[in-house]
Amino acid sequence: AQTVTQSQPEMSVQEAETVTLSCTYDTSESNYYLFWYKQPPSRQMILVIRQEAYKQQNATENRFSVNFQKAAKSFSLKISDSQLGDTAMYFCAFYSGYALNFGKGTSLLVTP
Amino acid sequence: NAGVTQTPKFRVLKTGQSMTLLCAQDMNHEYMYWYRQDPGMGLRLIHYSVGEGTTAKGEVPDGYNVSRLKKQNFLLGLESAAPSQTSVYFCASTDSHLQGWEQYFGPGTRLTVT
Repeated sequence: AQTVTQSQPEMSVQEAETVTLSCTYDTSESNYYLFWYKQPPSRQMILVIRQEAYKQQNATENRFSVNFQKAAKSFSLKISDSQLGDTAMYFCAFYSGYALNFGKGTSLLVTP
Repeated sequence: NAGVTQTPKFRVLKTGQSMTLLCAQDMNHEYMYWYRQDPGMGLRLIHYSVGEGTTAKGEVPDGYNVSRLKKQNFLLGLESAAPSQTSVYFCASTDSHLQGWEQYFGPGTRLTVT
């Protein structure tokens, strides 16, 4: 079974600064997908960014980018120019062929 | 296009009562899922369906049943609710034609069992 580990339960960053959220996973598969989801206080799950394992290039979506290290099974999320609206729970997830496996989440607080 | 909707949004049950949560999607997706979210646990898969008339167990299926009689609907049932089933329940859907199997989530249902 695939496991996803987020080792930082809580993080804090000041507005306009950069923060990196860590995620590692365990799998024997060679082709898969990785995701970061954001869950603000509204509870809605919002896709932040997606990475296909067969692509070597790291995915980027505006202020959000990933550092995907396939050999190390690492998938970290970098948020640049942090904004107050980035305050949320962030979940790393691995697509296992039929459903997502989620990490336990990192609570990110952006302070003025 | 409403996406994924869930009914109800909140519910309080007494131990032993039964209820059904309804998930509906209007995107013609084949795959549908039920997850539960508990504090500090992330989201865990309860049951899923890969098409109309099919269902399968996920990571935490005990105490729940599901049905997918219509492609657009996925029902989650609790026959005899227990306090351990107090949680937030999310429905999601996706399709093989979507790039990267992105899952679309409903707004969640907060269930409290007393």
